[in-house]
Formats: sequence, structure tokens, C-alpha cells
Amino acid sequence: QLQLQESGPGLVKPSETLSLTCTVSGGSISSSSYYWGWIRQPPGKGLEWIGSIYYSGSTYYNPSLKSRVTISVDTSKNQFSLKLSSVTAADTAVYYCASVTPLYYMDVWGKGTTVTVSS
Amino acid sequence: EIVLTQSPGTLSLSPGERATLSCRASQSVSSSYLAWYQQKPGQAPRLLIYGASSRATGIPDRFSGSGSGTDFTLTISRLEPEDFAVYYCQQRKTFGQGTKLEIK
Repeated sequence: QLQLQESGPGLVKPSETLSLTCTVSGGSISSSSYYWGWIRQPPGKGLEWIGSIYYSGSTYYNPSLKSRVTISVDTSKNQFSLKLSSVTAADTAVYYCASVTPLYYMDVWGKGTTVTVSS
Repeated sequence: EIVLTQSPGTLSLSPGERATLSCRASQSVSSSYLAWYQQKPGQAPRLLIYGASSRATGIPDRFSGSGSGTDFTLTISRLEPEDFAVYYCQQRKTFGQGTKLEIK
């Protein structure tokens, strides 16, 4: 059974880079059945798609975040990662990783990790 | 860019009642890409419906999805106490703003 787990610092200073990793277990990140995605949810607000990556390395980024986002994949570790640069308080959110089907729906989610941007 | 508008923002019902949640797209979308999620406080979203009307694995049959074009509906036939949560629709990389289903 596929499982995903986010990891990374819970506190990031303004203007620095947020870095998170999602570890996939119970399946291979090289599966042709999935893309791998990051979604975030600011406190008390709705869901926002950040971006996604295929095991080959092809990516899609939300245009509103594109200039600051990098998503990468490490097939040897069965992990994919998110980097968000020049963070501000507006980037404070719960960050989720998820498996994304070719029809864009997300059938397996990590539990989420809270990232606070504060000095 | 497609915008998804969910209504109502909050729905107050009692257990045993029928819930009807709406998701309207700003332009016609393929039903293949329309999904619904349930989110409870402190938890990740859970996939309920994909392809507008297909239930995800393990989802009770009291949950059903319908619609096409610009108008989609999530129906919960008889509300159970555990169904009170926030529900989101999604089309490709866009989410609706959510409907909170609360106990009346």
C-alpha cells in the first residue's frame, strides 16, 4: 500500500528557502502510473496546487509560484523534494505531498507538515 | 484559467439528512478531471470521487457524484456523524474554495 511522508524544517526565516522531502513507501516512485505532487494549505484556508513531477524529471509548476519553486526527484531514494525560495509569511502553510494520477486527482496523501515562516 | 466556485460556503444539516454540494466551473470542463475530496480538521484531504462520478476505493455508497460541463454535484444520501467536514472539488490543478458541512 502506497504511503507518503513529508519531512523538513518546521520553521523558516523570511527570505530564506523552504526545503521539504517526501518519502514514498509501498511502491516505486518510478511507476509510470503516477506523477508526484506538492499541495499547500495556509491556516484556515483552502488547498493550493504547488507543482508536480514525473519520475523522468518533467515538471509542472503553479504559474503564481513558478519563479520561486523547484521540484526534483531522487529515484534511488524513492523521494521527491520541494524548494521554495524567498519565502514570506504568506508561505506559512501545511504542505502536503501526494501521488497524482494522469487525470490529476490525488489518491494518496501524506499527513502534511506545518511550515511557519518567521524570524 | 478555470475557476471553481463551490456553494454553499457552509451547509448546516442533521445526521440522516441528504446533503447536496455544488461545484461550478467558470467554463466547460471534462468530467474526467473532476474530483471531490473530504477533509477533517487536522487531517489530509481524502479522495472521495474521481471522474465526476466514480467512487474511490473504500468510499461508502452514500457518497455519489454527478454532473457535466460546468455544473457538478456531490451528494451524501444520508449523513453520518463522521461526514461533517470540509469538501473540496478539483479540476486538474485548480481547487474550489470548499464547502463546510456542519452539524445543525
